[in-house]
Amino acid sequence: GIQVEQSPPDLILQEGANSTLRCNFSDSVNNLQWFHQNPWGQLINLFYIPSGTKQNGRLSATTVATERYSLLYISSSQTTDSGVYFCAVISSGTYKYIFGTGTRLKVLA
Amino acid sequence: NAGVTQTPKFQVLKTGQSMTLQCAQDMNHNSMYWYRQDPGMGLRLIYYSASEGTTDKGEVPNGYNVSRLNKREFSLRLESAAPSQTSVYFCASGELGQGTTEAFFGQGTRLTVV
Repeated sequence: GIQVEQSPPDLILQEGANSTLRCNFSDSVNNLQWFHQNPWGQLINLFYIPSGTKQNGRLSATTVATERYSLLYISSSQTTDSGVYFCAVISSGTYKYIFGTGTRLKVLA
Repeated sequence: NAGVTQTPKFQVLKTGQSMTLQCAQDMNHNSMYWYRQDPGMGLRLIYYSASEGTTDKGEVPNGYNVSRLNKREFSLRLESAAPSQTSVYFCASGELGQGTTEAFFGQGTRLTVV
């Protein structure tokens, strides 16, 4: 089945810093989402982005489907950005929705 | 708009007991999913239902059964709970597959098996 790897696994930032999180996948996909899991365990939809670029405030995401990766950019990070960031994909031709390994982000005040 | 609702939110079971986790969505989605998340880990797919009347195994199906009761509801059953099934369980729904859109998740059920 499809493999979904995220990097880096852990990231510590000072408040105000910028960061880039990466999601690599091993097969073609027709769905890709980014989620933020907050410290209370809630999964928050950030982006639905099977291809192209989207922006929402301080966050933006780019997926290059032909090269099998997606990037999540966080600018001017805040302590409330702390948590775990997951990407999740569906391989083309299937309905299996598979999560990546996650990036654990801690933003220090 | 409730989205995806899971019940119960918390449960403690003794080894060998059975229970059913309930999930309901009000977004008229065709596809529904069950995941487990162990402490400090990612989400792993247990079972999914691409559409009403169909169910398929995911990455970690052993020890679980599912029922797609109707388009709204998808339940997960543990027939004989084991400590290894202590985890947080998430349900999701979406139009995933052809003409795909984003998925939405419930709040999770925290299950402890002692």
